[in-house]
Amino acid sequence: ETGVTQTPRHLVMGMTNKKSLKCEQHLGHNAMYWYKQSAKKPLELMFVYNFKEQTENNSVPSRFSPECPNSSHLFLHLHTLQPEDSALYLCASSQDERVSNEQYFGPGTRLTVT
Amino acid sequence: AQSVTQLGSHVSVSEGALVLLRCNYSSSVPPYLFWYVQYPNQGLQLLLKYTSAATLVKGINGFEAEFKKSETSFHLTKPSAHMSDAAEYFCAVSLGGSQGNLIFGKGTKLSVKP
Repeated sequence: ETGVTQTPRHLVMGMTNKKSLKCEQHLGHNAMYWYKQSAKKPLELMFVYNFKEQTENNSVPSRFSPECPNSSHLFLHLHTLQPEDSALYLCASSQDERVSNEQYFGPGTRLTVT
Repeated sequence: AQSVTQLGSHVSVSEGALVLLRCNYSSSVPPYLFWYVQYPNQGLQLLLKYTSAATLVKGINGFEAEFKKSETSFHLTKPSAHMSDAAEYFCAVSLGGSQGNLIFGKGTKLSVKP
């Protein structure tokens, strides 16, 4: 596999379920990101990890819990979500978190909360 | 505070016609500026970026953008549209530092008519 991969591509979950999204990058990058993309809204940055350390948490509700065990993997653990959390969740990576570096995005996980 | 505005949530052009997607930003200091493209069912891909070098920036797939400080604009153009250009385009701005400072516009969906 090359680039940034995300699994699953589609996920339907009830509000009481617990699930996890997985992201893996094969680019040797040191920074990884979670974004939320909702219809008619700007892309929202959720979390930033740089060299496995969380450097940004944009006031994300605690029902979203990120985990970065190493520079190649990033998880987003989900529990007791709300219907308004339905969205496309994008993972990205870059060489490091300097803004001049290009971000490489995965294809996203389409999440539906019922 | 920085912000970015993309004029027109939907732009439609004929194949072979000029593509012009507008982006204006507000920033008190020279910013970094980016255009990303998102094809259906895919993540975002960098088209081009301005990082205080040449004001006319050439990107992939024949796209280019010009940084105009006096107009606080960074419009994206392509002389001749192809059917394969149909996608959503996002302008993003940052004052520098980390990727956590990157702000995306709401996006412009480009349709190309045969």
